[in-house]
Amino acid sequence: EVQLVESGGGLVQPGGSLRLSCAGSGFSFSDHFMDWVRQAPGKGLEWVGRLRDKTQSFTTEYTASVKGRFSISRDESKNSMFLQMNSLKVEDTAVYYCARGFCSGGTCYTGDKWGQGTLVTVSS
Amino acid sequence: DIQLTQSPSFLSPSLGDRVTITCRASQAISNYLAWFQQKPGKAPILLIYSASTLQSGVPSRFSGSGSGTEFTLTITSLQPEDFATYYCQHLDSYPLTFGQGTRLEIK
Repeated sequence: EVQLVESGGGLVQPGGSLRLSCAGSGFSFSDHFMDWVRQAPGKGLEWVGRLRDKTQSFTTEYTASVKGRFSISRDESKNSMFLQMNSLKVEDTAVYYCARGFCSGGTCYTGDKWGQGTLVTVSS
Repeated sequence: DIQLTQSPSFLSPSLGDRVTITCRASQAISNYLAWFQQKPGKAPILLIYSASTLQSGVPSRFSGSGSGTEFTLTITSLQPEDFATYYCQHLDSYPLTFGQGTRLEIK
């Protein structure tokens, strides 16, 4: 069974850092695009970033509001993906989800499988 | 960046009703569109991808259509478990973006 489990959320002060983890089972991260998506309290979904698969050399993409502050990486030995978040702002407060992607018909889609999410609160 | 606008933002249908949600893109995105359902406190669930392909395990009362800039999600014969918030997402170019959501509440 495919499972994704996020961890690492918590309370952090503005300007601080946090590292989220997404551990996968039942599939190999190397064979899938992986996304981070967040949801601020009471708000809609926001795509944060993407880690491409081995066929595209594990390159990354980010939304503009996190570019230069957040970075996505992976550890193949742990079948895990990470979101390193630096220079955190109050507006980064959200539940962060990791999601497995799949490719079809010329593009790659987010989220045929999602984790349960982990809450990040940025507050002084 | 490509903007997605969903309409309506809120719907209050009755059980058994047919519901249509529209998602308009600020520029043409071919059929690179997905629909998700989300219930409070839960992760989203993929319903439709490639604008009209039903994800495995999703009931056939859900259907999607459209291409270019206008897309629809239709739910026929609403069931109690369908009351949730629905989001569209484009996959045409980066950054990927979601619509603002459409909330379905039982009348």
